[in-house]
Amino acid sequence: DVKVTQSSRYLVKRTGEKVFLECVQDMDHENMFWYRQDPGLGLRLIYFSYDVKMKEKGDIPEGYSVSREKKERFSLILESASTNQTSMYLCASSLRGRENQETQYFGPGTRLLVL
Amino acid sequence: GQNIDQPTEMTATEGAIVQINCTYQTSGFNGLFWYQQHAGEAPTFLSYNVLDGLEEKGRFSSFLSRSKGYSYLLLKELQMKDSASYLCAVKDSNYQLIWGAGTKLIIKP
Repeated sequence: DVKVTQSSRYLVKRTGEKVFLECVQDMDHENMFWYRQDPGLGLRLIYFSYDVKMKEKGDIPEGYSVSREKKERFSLILESASTNQTSMYLCASSLRGRENQETQYFGPGTRLLVL
Repeated sequence: GQNIDQPTEMTATEGAIVQINCTYQTSGFNGLFWYQQHAGEAPTFLSYNVLDGLEEKGRFSSFLSRSKGYSYLLLKELQMKDSASYLCAVKDSNYQLIWGAGTKLIIKP
């Protein structure tokens, strides 16, 4: 079974703080993703990575950065948290390859509240 | 622009059948996914369609018509545990997933 874990289920931070969200997967997947999920909206892609040290901007990268130093770990960084970054953050991973459907498997999510 | 439409909320009765529709307009098509998401939990994979037709998997089936930009998820013999949100997502020409906002399904006894 694919297992994707995220460092925290709930976080409360103050405006201006630097926030680190960690994601680890144990299935040797090449692809990893960070999304945010807000009520009434579909999942929105923040950043993704196809390999170690690689990163690509998604649809809403502003205010975020990422780090992928090891294949199994993908970190999302909020350089200076703002109230509009209050959201549910979901990490996902998938196996690379066009022959397979590249199904994404999700972690349990981190609910971040920025005060 | 790219767009995925699905109803916001649906209500059904335990033991009944419900069909959740999804229409999409995307730049290219490389497959359609359905995920289930219980409140406060991660989305979990349900089905994948890339060719037209019906894919059956136990109580759940998913249908795709590429020419109509349309899919549906059919849930039979509804159980209370099926109360969840159901997310439709399309893989576009860049192999990126475009997500619908999800359909919240409420099951009543």
